[in-house]
Amino acid sequence: QKEVEQNSGPLSVPEGAIASLNCTYSDRVSQSFFWYRQYSGKSPELIMSIYSNGDKEDGRFTAQLNKASQYVSLLIRDSQPSDSATYLCAGNFGNEKLTFGTGTRLTIIP
Amino acid sequence: NAGVMQNPRHLVRRRGQEARLRCSPVKGHSHVYWYRQLPEEGLKFMVYLQKENIIDESGMPKERFSAEFPKEGPSILRIQQVVRGDSAAYFCASSPREHTDTQYFGPGTRLTVL
Repeated sequence: QKEVEQNSGPLSVPEGAIASLNCTYSDRVSQSFFWYRQYSGKSPELIMSIYSNGDKEDGRFTAQLNKASQYVSLLIRDSQPSDSATYLCAGNFGNEKLTFGTGTRLTIIP
Repeated sequence: NAGVMQNPRHLVRRRGQEARLRCSPVKGHSHVYWYRQLPEEGLKFMVYLQKENIIDESGMPKERFSAEFPKEGPSILRIQQVVRGDSAAYFCASSPREHTDTQYFGPGTRLTVL
């Protein structure tokens, strides 16, 4: 069973600070990882994908992948109230379907 | 560019009725996935389809649930004889052939079983 685990939170971060979201997984045969943002009552929105070890930056978002330690993280710089949402970590373990964590609820405090 | 479209957005059924959920993928995408999200839970994979083929249905309940993606028209997720435990948000995602793991989600269908 390939598991993806996240701290469910809630995680509260002051506006303008860095939000750090973490995810671990239980299978070494990982292909790629994805971060989705989901507002309450809405569908998941893809915000980052990462395929290889290291950092990947896109605007205020940085995804980090460490396959040896089996974790992936998402950093959100200069957090805004509009970043308040549930963030879902998902992994593709070579079989096309995505395995999701339960999500971390993030609240940005103005 | 139209994204993934799903309809209906909200569906109410009484126990024992049938629910039929539709998904039109992003234009040019040939891979469709269905996921279910129960209240306060993460998304769970149900089925992966390509045109006219079911590739992986390992997440589908063995009974009452079926899915298809015909040559023409949308993908359909069908739930027969619904029960209250089927109440959930059902999301469809699609991906292009060359990056099958980059999946884009539709707005979902929220099924309520009375």
